[in-house]
Amino acid sequence: EVQLVQSGAEVKKPGESLKISCKGYAQTFTTYWIGWVRQMPGKGLEWVGVIYPGDSDTRYSPSFQGQVTISVDKSISTAYLQLNTLKASDSAVYFCVTPSSGTYFAAMAFDLWGQGTMVTVSS
Amino acid sequence: QSALTQPASVSGSPGQSITISCTGTSSDIGTYNVVSWYQQHPGKAPKLIIYEGSERPSGVSSRFSGSRSGNTASLTISGLEAGDEADYYCCAYAGSYTLVFGGGTKLTV
Repeated sequence: EVQLVQSGAEVKKPGESLKISCKGYAQTFTTYWIGWVRQMPGKGLEWVGVIYPGDSDTRYSPSFQGQVTISVDKSISTAYLQLNTLKASDSAVYFCVTPSSGTYFAAMAFDLWGQGTMVTVSS
Repeated sequence: QSALTQPASVSGSPGQSITISCTGTSSDIGTYNVVSWYQQHPGKAPKLIIYEGSERPSGVSSRFSGSRSGNTASLTISGLEAGDEADYYCCAYAGSYTLVFGGGTKLTV
């Protein structure tokens, strides 16, 4: 079954760092982009950035450039989102996303979503 | 890169039709016309319901349709059902493999 499985909820203190993971269970994991989306409590969706596992080409939303690092380990079909110097405002649910086919890839549409990782930053 | 503009809320009665607008700029919707729509129920991951402005993924009801005019995309839901009550987000390509989302619209049925 094609799916994305993310790491579990995290509680961190301000100033700490965090790396959350997204494991893909599909042969297409390394074929298409893997993206990350943030959703702050009670708020809308925000595009964080995307990585192409084939060559690790990474693009960030200007709002997140320098604030996060996206990486991938092709050998274990896992993408990562690293959050540095955490602040309370980083508290959110983070989703990984990927298209399941070339049609969605070409349309920059994502039909596969991870279950979300809730990050809580509190002193 | 500003978020796309959506109405905060819309409402309709069962069986009626509603339309949600999504206004962007000439840098996103106006140039690339690569718009998708997502439906999100509380506590769930979003679900893709429209891509390429007007295409429906397999399994998505034909009651959902999308369109575009200039810098504005629209999502229409016909024959409203109770299960359509959710948050809806538009999303547009803004170049350089960057996407921008709308602020979201809460649909009440």
